[in-house]
Amino acid sequence: GENVEQHPSTLSVQEGDSAVIKCTYSDSASNYFPWYKQELGKRPQLIIDIRSNVGEKKDQRIAVTLNKTAKHFSLHITETQPEDSAVYFCAASKRGSARQLTFGSGTQLTVLP
Amino acid sequence: EAQVTQNPRYLITVTGKKLTVTCSQNMNHEYMSWYRQDPGLGLRQIYYSMNVEVTDKGDVPEGYKVSRKEKRNFPLILESPSPNQTSLYFCASSTAQGTGGSQGSYGYTFGSGTRLTVV
Repeated sequence: GENVEQHPSTLSVQEGDSAVIKCTYSDSASNYFPWYKQELGKRPQLIIDIRSNVGEKKDQRIAVTLNKTAKHFSLHITETQPEDSAVYFCAASKRGSARQLTFGSGTQLTVLP
Repeated sequence: EAQVTQNPRYLITVTGKKLTVTCSQNMNHEYMSWYRQDPGLGLRQIYYSMNVEVTDKGDVPEGYKVSRKEKRNFPLILESPSPNQTSLYFCASSTAQGTGGSQGSYGYTFGSGTRLTVV
């Protein structure tokens, strides 16, 4: 089955700096890659997703890039703010949909004021 | 309000006592799924369903059962709970069609979670 590895497990940045979280996947048939944010004690929430027919997608301060050849994708957060502090999960699916998502192990992002 | 509702939020039970965690969504989503979340392991899929009466195993199905008799409901059943099933459980649902064209979102909407402790 699919295996998704996520790095780093913890990341601390100064407010205003950028943060990058990286994921690799094992199944070359995977074609849907969402990112979720989970604040302490809350449910995961989708923040951005990308399908394999594009290499990059942006939404305000967040962006996701995908390298199909290398089988890795990354989350970029610019101008970080304290409210960006949370656990971020990447995921991959080879069905082109959410139904059988495999998640990474998560990255605890802390934005220091 | 569009939502996924799980009950109960917290549950403490004893080994071997059958329990059911309910999940209901009001968005007419085709896909529903159960995940468990454990520290350092992320979210692992237990079972998923593509529509009524269509279910399939995820990555960690042992010790769990599900059913999908109605589109809106997807209960998780633990016939004989054991301490290694102590975890945080999330139900989630998603549309099959996605939204917004070729780059549309297929993301799961998650419920609030059920924290289960088996002693």
